[in-house]
Amino acid sequence: AQKVTQAQTEISVVEKEDVTLDCVYETRDTTYYLFWYKQPPSGELVFLIRRNSFDEQNEISGRYSWNFQKSTSSFNFTITASQVVDSAVYFCALLTGTASKLTFGTGTRLQVTL
Amino acid sequence: NAGVMQNPRHLVRRRGQEARLRCSPMKGHSHVYWYRQLPEEGLKFMVYLQKENIIDESGMPKERFSAEFPKEGPSILRIQQVVRGDSAAYFCASSPSDRGDNQPQHFGDGTRLSIL
Repeated sequence: AQKVTQAQTEISVVEKEDVTLDCVYETRDTTYYLFWYKQPPSGELVFLIRRNSFDEQNEISGRYSWNFQKSTSSFNFTITASQVVDSAVYFCALLTGTASKLTFGTGTRLQVTL
Repeated sequence: NAGVMQNPRHLVRRRGQEARLRCSPMKGHSHVYWYRQLPEEGLKFMVYLQKENIIDESGMPKERFSAEFPKEGPSILRIQQVVRGDSAAYFCASSPSDRGDNQPQHFGDGTRLSIL
């Protein structure tokens, strides 16, 4: 069975602070894909990144970076110099090679204030 | 360059009525997925369809819920005799195939269903 755990329910930071959102996953499949989605207050889901299980290289995109560690089954997401527009719920999700459905974590609500 | 289109954006129904949610996948995508998001929760998979076929309905409630993706037209998620517990946001996603390396699934803006 697949499982995604986002232990942080809510995080509040002041603008310009760095913040890391944790994601721990469980799967017995050797081929799998990890995703992060952003859900702003308007409600839509915005794709941020996909990482496959064979690629442990970390990725940086502007102020966003992702740290994939197979040894700890984690795929953490860091926002550097946070901004108010980063305020949203962030979901980590898992897609395994034997299933077509995404398994989502319960999300982390990030509140960035001035 | 239309993405996944869902309508209506908001739907209000009284208990016992039927709700029909529509989803048009992105151009070129033949795989459609429905997810439900209950208030303050993450998304839960409901059903995965290809044209005229239900591939995986393991997340669908056994009664009152059905889904289709006809040869022509949008995918429909149908909820009969709605109850208050059906109030949620229903998201549709599409992809060009079911291969993991051909994802991500692209999501529509969702339909917010409210049951009075």
